[in-house]
Amino acid sequence: QVQLQESGPGLVKPSQTLSLTCTVSGGSISSGSYYWSWIRQPAGKGLEWIGRIYTSGSTNYNPSLKSRVTISVDTSKNQFSLKLSSVTAADTAVYYCAVLRLGELSLDYWGQGTLVTVSS
Amino acid sequence: QSALTQPPSASGSPGQSVTISCTGTSSDVGGYNYVSWYQQHPGKAPKLMIYEVSKRPSGVPDRFSGSKSGNTASLTVSGLQAEDEADYYCSSYAGSNNLGVFGTGTKVTVL
Repeated sequence: QVQLQESGPGLVKPSQTLSLTCTVSGGSISSGSYYWSWIRQPAGKGLEWIGRIYTSGSTNYNPSLKSRVTISVDTSKNQFSLKLSSVTAADTAVYYCAVLRLGELSLDYWGQGTLVTVSS
Repeated sequence: QSALTQPPSASGSPGQSVTISCTGTSSDVGGYNYVSWYQQHPGKAPKLMIYEVSKRPSGVPDRFSGSKSGNTASLTVSGLQAEDEADYYCSSYAGSNNLGVFGTGTKVTVL
C-alpha cells in the first residue's frame, strides 16, 4: 500500500514561494499506474485541485493557479514536489499530496496533510 | 470548472439511512462513470469510500453505496453509525486534460 508524507515550511511570507515535498513509500513513483497530485483545503472550506503530474513529466494544473504553480517529480528520491509562487493570505490552507489511480480515476491514497500559513 | 453541488448538511439517527446528492452537468457527472466519494473526519485526510459511481474499495463497509442518474450522483449510508459522522465530498472526472471537480461537501450528523 502506497503511503505519502508531506514536508515543508509551515509558515511562508506573502509574495514568497511555497515549497512542499511529498515522499512516497510502499510503491515506486516511476509506476505508470498513478498521477501524483496536490490538493488543498482552506480552513472550514472544501477541497481544491492544485495539479497533478504523471511519471512522464506531463502535468495538469488548476487554471486559476496555473501561472503560479510548478509540480515536479524526483524519481531518484521517490518524491514529488509543489512550488506555488507569489503567495498571499488566500493560499493559507492544508495541503495534501495524493495518488490518483489511472483507470478508476480515484484518489486512492492521501498524505496526512500539512498546514501552510501565509503571514508576515 | 464549477464545483459539484451538494447539500451542506444531512442527518439521521443511528440505524437509519442518509442519502447525499451530488449534482453536476453533462460535462462531468452526467458524461462519465467516474464519480468518487470521500469521507473526511475533522483534522484528518479524506478517505476514498466509493469509486466509479458504485464500487467500494477493499475495507469499506457495504453500508456505503453509490449510484447515479443523469447529472446527479448519490451516496447512501445505511445503518448509520456514530463513526459515520463526517464530511463527505463527491468528485467527478471532467474530460481529458482536465483535473476534474470536487463537490461542495456535506456534513453528515448522526443524531
